[in-house]
Amino acid sequence: GAGVSQSPSNKVTEKGKDVELRCDPISGHTALYWYRQSLGQGLEFLIYFQGNSAPDKSGLPSDRFSAERTGGSVSTLTIQRTQQEDSAVYLCASSLAGLAGDTQYFGPGTRLTVL
Amino acid sequence: GNSVTQMEGPVTLSEEAFLTINCTYTATGYPSLFWYVQYPGEGLQLLLKATKADDKGSNKGFEATYRKETTSFHLEKGSVQVSDSAVYFCALSDPSNTGKLIFGQGTTLQVKP
Repeated sequence: GAGVSQSPSNKVTEKGKDVELRCDPISGHTALYWYRQSLGQGLEFLIYFQGNSAPDKSGLPSDRFSAERTGGSVSTLTIQRTQQEDSAVYLCASSLAGLAGDTQYFGPGTRLTVL
Repeated sequence: GNSVTQMEGPVTLSEEAFLTINCTYTATGYPSLFWYVQYPGEGLQLLLKATKADDKGSNKGFEATYRKETTSFHLEKGSVQVSDSAVYFCALSDPSNTGKLIFGQGTTLQVKP
């Protein structure tokens, strides 16, 4: 079946603009995660969804970052008033149930560049 | 807190050489351990995993054994190929949390013919 998809694959924006990143998880996966991959910080967890609720938002770096998930499926990560330090690759992953031993399947990522 | 430490890269080997990439972890409770791989131009994908102490994960000739006594999960392969050139990430998922992964900093492997 289809894997995790993300759009857009690349996004270039100007400092101060808002951006929306989309993730479409594997069908039937109840758990969805957002991570960020940057040169200075490596791979960092941002937020976890179980169904439509987000019981763990502890990795969101500031209140400019928010995310939602609707219908237990598609998720959108929104960054308001983007800053240059937000430039990174944003990765989405899904797993069957969100258990510790579950395999997470990653999407190809969205490369965000803030000018 | 939970953390993962990997050996610094890059690691450069000749084809058919033996590979070890060291990974140690700090965690409360009993985490599951993973190796993910990122090939050039591709997304992150699971290489292997182990969910309890003394388990051995294996895939594509790679192996790693979950060692609770040394809090380690070292990745090994007996004979590397050029196609194994990639970035390798060790990660843990703590069972008391939400399944979220905590990654090491990644180790770049370059295999030369």
